[in-house]
Amino acid sequence: DAGITQSPRHKVTETGTPVTLRCHQTENHRYMYWYRQDPGHGLRLIHYSYGVKDTDKGEVSDGYSVSRSKTEDFLLTLESATSSQTSVYFCAISEDTKYEQYFGPGTRLTVT
Amino acid sequence: GEDVEQSLFLSVREGDSSVINCTYTDSSSTYLYWYKQEPGAGLQLLTYIFSNMDMKQDQRLTVLLNKKDKHLSLRIADTQTGDSAIYFCAEAAFSSGSARQLTFGSGTQLTVLP
Repeated sequence: DAGITQSPRHKVTETGTPVTLRCHQTENHRYMYWYRQDPGHGLRLIHYSYGVKDTDKGEVSDGYSVSRSKTEDFLLTLESATSSQTSVYFCAISEDTKYEQYFGPGTRLTVT
Repeated sequence: GEDVEQSLFLSVREGDSSVINCTYTDSSSTYLYWYKQEPGAGLQLLTYIFSNMDMKQDQRLTVLLNKKDKHLSLRIADTQTGDSAIYFCAEAAFSSGSARQLTFGSGTQLTVLP
């Protein structure tokens, strides 16, 4: 299994509070991604990173920000959580020379 | 825009073959993927195929690609109860170097009956 961990694995928070999810990799892969998974939608890309301090938006980026200050960590922040952000969040990694994209175990976030 | 479609459910008997189908719309896609997700778990990459290939086989898995019809299928031979899971197909778009934005289908729930 690719060395990807996500923390926390489960979180319940209240509407309007800030939330930060962490993705940590031990593979030294250049690219990192955040997806959310909702019933009937499969997975949708939120943001991705193509290097330290280099990030870009995905399909559903509104209400989310990301940061990557070092290769191994990619943070996803919900500045003010809303109920529509209740979801399962997955981090993924990939590298330049290969085509595989590997996923972490996921974080289940509930916004009440 | 990109759109990937899959049927939602498939049931098969143990020992039979399963065929999971997927259609995609982005003709510029160069890689197409199949992932497996078991309950409460992350996504496990099963296989992928380049768009210039027609078929790829890997043990019990066979991927067929019809680029003209934008149709992708995953065949699982000798299906076992451990194959029960949700299967996602995904297409890749390239951006910012070799970053690969994957667009996923909604997933097919495969149930293997004893």
